[in-house]
Amino acid sequence: EPEVTQTPSHQVTQMGQEVILHCVPISNHLYFYWYRQILGQKVEFLVSFYNNEISEKSEIFDDQFSVERPDGSNFTLKIRSTKLEDSAMYFCASSEVIGVGYGYTFGSGTRLTVV
Amino acid sequence: AQSVTQLDSQVPVFEEAPVELRCNYSSSVSVYLFWYVQYPNQGLQLLLKYLSGSTLVKGINGFEAEFNKSQTSFHLRKPSVHISDTAEYFCAVSESNFNKFYFGSGTKLNVKP
Repeated sequence: EPEVTQTPSHQVTQMGQEVILHCVPISNHLYFYWYRQILGQKVEFLVSFYNNEISEKSEIFDDQFSVERPDGSNFTLKIRSTKLEDSAMYFCASSEVIGVGYGYTFGSGTRLTVV
Repeated sequence: AQSVTQLDSQVPVFEEAPVELRCNYSSSVSVYLFWYVQYPNQGLQLLLKYLSGSTLVKGINGFEAEFNKSQTSFHLRKPSVHISDTAEYFCAVSESNFNKFYFGSGTKLNVKP
């Protein structure tokens, strides 16, 4: 069964450093997403991306965050200057069509620890 | 705006006992409803979903859920749990044609021998 692949599984970074989280969506999917789960809290939507531009973003997704699809297979989340409160599990997801009803698939996540 | 409430943060249960994990939502429009499971150190795996039709939905691993529109609930049930069901379970909602989920805070199911 096709998978969404996220690397690395765990990343430790120093406060103030830039970090890039990597995701390889399912190959025929067109819509891409990032979610965040701070330890002990809800999984929260960050951003959706389609046709090389952001289609929706949450209040959490401020100027320190950016997303990019640098080539035909990768989808990245960049945090420019990490803060302690950015420590969380970050999930990438992708879907073939618009809407959550069919084929919306999550990756296994990257645990980001900011020290 | 939508919200999802999972009233029980932790549910301990003995192996082979039945379990119900509760989920209530608030929304002014028709919604799609989902249950995801997260095993330790793993990602979110879809257990089951309600999009339309029969209000009783069957999913993987013997789980089922019932959509109750009048009570705005979507409780997850299993008649007999196994040790391997120990995980965190998340209820999620979305509106049709929306591209994002609203998740509940999760329920940790701890199955004891």
